[in-house]
Amino acid sequence: QSALTQPASVSGSPGQSITISCTGTSSDVGYYNLVSWYQQHPGKAPKLMIFEVSERPSGVSNRFSGAKSGNTASLTISGLQAEDEADYYCCSYAGISTIYVFGTGTKVTVL
Amino acid sequence: QVQLQESGPGLVKPSETLSLTCTVSGGSISNYYWSWIRQPPEKGLEWIGFVYYSGSTTYNPSLKTRVTMSVDTSRNQFSLNLYSVTAADTAVYHCVRGATTLINPFFDYWGQGTLVTVSS
Repeated sequence: QSALTQPASVSGSPGQSITISCTGTSSDVGYYNLVSWYQQHPGKAPKLMIFEVSERPSGVSNRFSGAKSGNTASLTISGLQAEDEADYYCCSYAGISTIYVFGTGTKVTVL
Repeated sequence: QVQLQESGPGLVKPSETLSLTCTVSGGSISNYYWSWIRQPPEKGLEWIGFVYYSGSTTYNPSLKTRVTMSVDTSRNQFSLNLYSVTAADTAVYHCVRGATTLINPFFDYWGQGTLVTVSS
């Protein structure tokens, strides 16, 4: 099972919106509405930002939103802030043989 | 507030066994799937496997021949053993709380992570 494909980097200016893609296959992202997203600051543990494609856990800013179309999930950060600068990873359920697969990770830079 | 804390050696020799324990505080280990997720230096996340509070396990197919996990509900702990390690197993290892259902990649509480280096 290969990792889900994410762009290596995405950047934007404060206040702008950016979107990170997460491309899988019809066996994982495309088949199940079970994609989550994690934010990781340097030296810190990842933090759950989105689950089940578009649901936000309590306490996560509504500037973060998730969606899915076909085999590609996406995370949009609106009103970009300096504190959003971090690495972001997607994760999908991939069936009973593989279970979970992570994305390759995207570094978000706030210009 | 649920907290997870990894413990174990930070240095393991090649061909030996990496053993880590995760202690869960602030909540019960019951009813959840508990995972180990690792991150090699400067690389991405890799799910290693999970153990359910009942003791049932499922592992990443790429690691399943070298991994065992167990749970001790009386101590609110779960453990990881990774056998025959090589330098490629050098990583930060996180213990993580998963969902109450097997299929949901919902990792809401993470340990801070412990760096394990494989070297002679």
